[in-house]
Amino acid sequence: GAVVSQHPSWVICKSGTSVKIECRSLDFQATTMFWYRQFPKQSLMLMATSNEGSKATYEQGVEKDKFLINHASLTLSTLTVTSAHPEDSSFYICSARKDLGNIQYFGAGTRLSVL
Amino acid sequence: QQQVKQSPQSLIVQKGGIPIINCAYENTAFDYFPWYQQFPGKGPALLIAIRPDVSEKKEGRFTISFNKSAKQFSLHIMDSQPGDSATYFCAAGPETGGGNKLTFGTGTQLKVEL
Repeated sequence: GAVVSQHPSWVICKSGTSVKIECRSLDFQATTMFWYRQFPKQSLMLMATSNEGSKATYEQGVEKDKFLINHASLTLSTLTVTSAHPEDSSFYICSARKDLGNIQYFGAGTRLSVL
Repeated sequence: QQQVKQSPQSLIVQKGGIPIINCAYENTAFDYFPWYQQFPGKGPALLIAIRPDVSEKKEGRFTISFNKSAKQFSLHIMDSQPGDSATYFCAAGPETGGGNKLTFGTGTQLKVEL
């Protein structure tokens, strides 16, 4: 199998606080993980590519100081939304790439609501 | 060059019908074309994928047709069931290299009615 676990599934926080989202590959090692953002009834927007042991690569327009990504091990990547504001409210989804091909396996997503 | 255009935006079929979802890509460097199924509040799940060396691939009730010259590919769902009601995304990207990034289509909301 190829299971990706994402935690938490739902988080509510106050404006100005930081929130950390974890993405774990449970039964395989993932040198590359991806973080996406999805607005209601819209497609997945790639935010950044996370590579184990190196700095993440951010897509154009994504603030790297606001969305901190750490990929400290072959099975764990974290996304920290710093100083969250209501406009950061969204559905955040991670995926992990298995093997050398391009197959990505997705986590169940995290719904972030910033009050 | 990076867009993947998906149609229709939404689709309603009767149980047993064969919904067809179409995608078109622009980047000729793309050689990996997966389809994902997403239920509300869940992450996308890989359904089936095709590479350009074949024109068709079947897995259970799901079939991908691929037209390399037209840069188009489509998903057919045979004998559709109410449980197939979900949002379907096509995607395209390089098999290797290019950061292994996938470009996603805009999604198709499928509803299968009894």
